[in-house]
Amino acid sequence: NAGVTQTPKFRILKIGQSMTLQCTQDMNHNYMYWYRQDPGMGLKLIYYSVGAGITDKGEVPNGYNVSRSTTEDFPLRLELAAPSQTSVYFCASSFGLAGGTDTQYFGPGTRLTVL
Amino acid sequence: AQSVTQLGSHVSVSEGALVLLRCNYSSSVPPYLFWYVQYPNQGLQLLLKYTSAATLVKGINGFEAEFKKSETSFHLTKPSAHMSDAAEYFCAVSANDMRFGAGTRLTVKP
Repeated sequence: NAGVTQTPKFRILKIGQSMTLQCTQDMNHNYMYWYRQDPGMGLKLIYYSVGAGITDKGEVPNGYNVSRSTTEDFPLRLELAAPSQTSVYFCASSFGLAGGTDTQYFGPGTRLTVL
Repeated sequence: AQSVTQLGSHVSVSEGALVLLRCNYSSSVPPYLFWYVQYPNQGLQLLLKYTSAATLVKGINGFEAEFKKSETSFHLTKPSAHMSDAAEYFCAVSANDMRFGAGTRLTVKP
């Protein structure tokens, strides 16, 4: 199993540009998450999904959109990039929904810089 | 909502010394608690988790943590640090959702 994979690993965007961060998991997990990690701030939940076709906002959803058309894929879209979105983005998946005992499995991350 | 406080953003120990990383939580419902480790340029990996079965939890790489309800703590320890333990460590509380602490960067000196 590859686990959770993310592409790209690095990206530099100009202000106002758009991009999609890709995330795929091969563990047949229903639950998937997008986090951003900023220095000294830990991880903040952006969006999550409980299954294909069902998504919901997390703590910091502004400026982002998601979709979940399949169990495996959970892309994150930035429509109008802003410097405040410079961060490291992690995708994760789990068997059970966060709030229980299930472990979340993380991808390697995408380092995004917006200039 | 629940929250996690990790005391000390940076901890430095000598190789062979005791590692102690502190985590305190707050939660209005009985929580589950996790420690994750992040090596440079990688995602987070589970070290151990408390699921109410036992208050002393043993994890990978010789780490363990003790859940103390009276102190609302879940500190991570390892008796003898190894150079390969250098990483960032995150405590997380899982109740209605999962919340992560700000992280503690562990440096191990030779």
